[in-house]
Order: sequence, then C-alpha cells, then structure tokens
Amino acid sequence: KAGVTQTPRYLIKTRGQQVTLSCSPISGHRSVSWYQQTPGQGLQFLFEYFSETQRNKGNFPGRFSGRQFSNSRSEMNVSTLELGDSALYLCASGINTDTQYFGPGTRLTVL
Amino acid sequence: DQQVKQNSPSLSVQEGRISILNCDYTNSMFDYFLWYKKYPAEGPTFLISISSIKDKNEDGRFTVFLNKSAKHLSLHIVPSQPGDSAVYFCAASATNRDDKIIFGKGTRLHILP
Repeated sequence: KAGVTQTPRYLIKTRGQQVTLSCSPISGHRSVSWYQQTPGQGLQFLFEYFSETQRNKGNFPGRFSGRQFSNSRSEMNVSTLELGDSALYLCASGINTDTQYFGPGTRLTVL
Repeated sequence: DQQVKQNSPSLSVQEGRISILNCDYTNSMFDYFLWYKKYPAEGPTFLISISSIKDKNEDGRFTVFLNKSAKHLSLHIVPSQPGDSAVYFCAASATNRDDKIIFGKGTRLHILP
C-alpha cells in the first residue's frame, strides 16, 4: 500500500508570496491532518480534515488555511508568507485521528 | 522500514499505578527523542523530550528514560490519572543531520478506574 505523499518536497518562496502544499493520503484514509515542524517549536498542529470538513484547528493565524477534496486529498495554503513560516510541513493520514501515518513533509524556506 | 517502533498498540493501567510506554528505534543517528500525547479529535501535543547526552529526564509525573545501547526509550507516568488516557506517540530526530521528526505509530493508554 502506498504511503502518504506530499508535494512538493522542497519549496523556496519570498516574503509576501503565497504557497499551496498538497497531500495525498493512504488509500481509504479519510482523516488528513497538517503539522508544522520547526526546530524551536517542535511539532505543532495546524488543522485536521475528515470527509471534506475541517474538524479541528490549531492555534495558527488565518493566513494558514486548508481544504480537503472528495478523494480525501488535501491542500494547505499559506498566504502573505513571513520568514517565520519557514518550516517542515507534515501531513498525516489515518482511518481516524488516533492512528496517523505521516508523509515525508514539504520543506518550505521563506527568504 | 519503521525507524521508530511502538510495539504495543494499547495499554491498560489502573488509576494510581505506574504506566510504562515503550519505544524502540533503529537509526543510531537519532539524538533527540520526544513524546507526544494525543486526545481524540485533537492534534498531538508535546509532552516531554530527552537528548541523547542524558539517560533520564523528569517533569512532574512524567519521566523519560533513554537506553542508547539498546536503542530503547520509555515513558513512565506515575501516578496514572484518568486524564492520562490518550494516545502517546514516541518520536525521534537526528538534529545534526536533519531536524525532521520521525514518529512511531502510537500507543493507546487506558487508565482504568
């Protein structure tokens, strides 16, 4: 069974730009969660989608948004990028939210 | 191949007793280890961490032990409380190579009244 895939794997943007990250969950998984990982803050929860509905949201500004499509694929969007948004963005999928399989991540660098 | 393994999917412990959650890793480059706690319908939250230069780190009721030679770490919760019922993720990273954190699949802890 293929694992969670995330595209792109690496991305470089400049301040003020916007970015869209994509996540394809494991087949059959309906829950997709997004996390931001930074050396200083560790892993921080962004939001979770289940069957196209945002079910839970972490403590991030409105510049961070997401959506989930009918095939469970999910996208995360960050607008008006700031230097502090440089991080590894992880997507995790699961049948439910209790057992999650993480993707390889997208490393975003904001210059 | 899983680099971080939590071989017990679930664990039940009586309230007031000690809960011990185990984690094994395979990558000898890992030098930083973390435990996350996750309630249903919430994202994981950081619990406690340990650097490879230590073999023990304590924070209140939570203690993490690291055995580098065995590539094994454990989380001890004492005394266990009802609010400790959650899924616990073990995670590891190789900070001198890549700060990416590799997670285990989690252990569901049930605290019994």
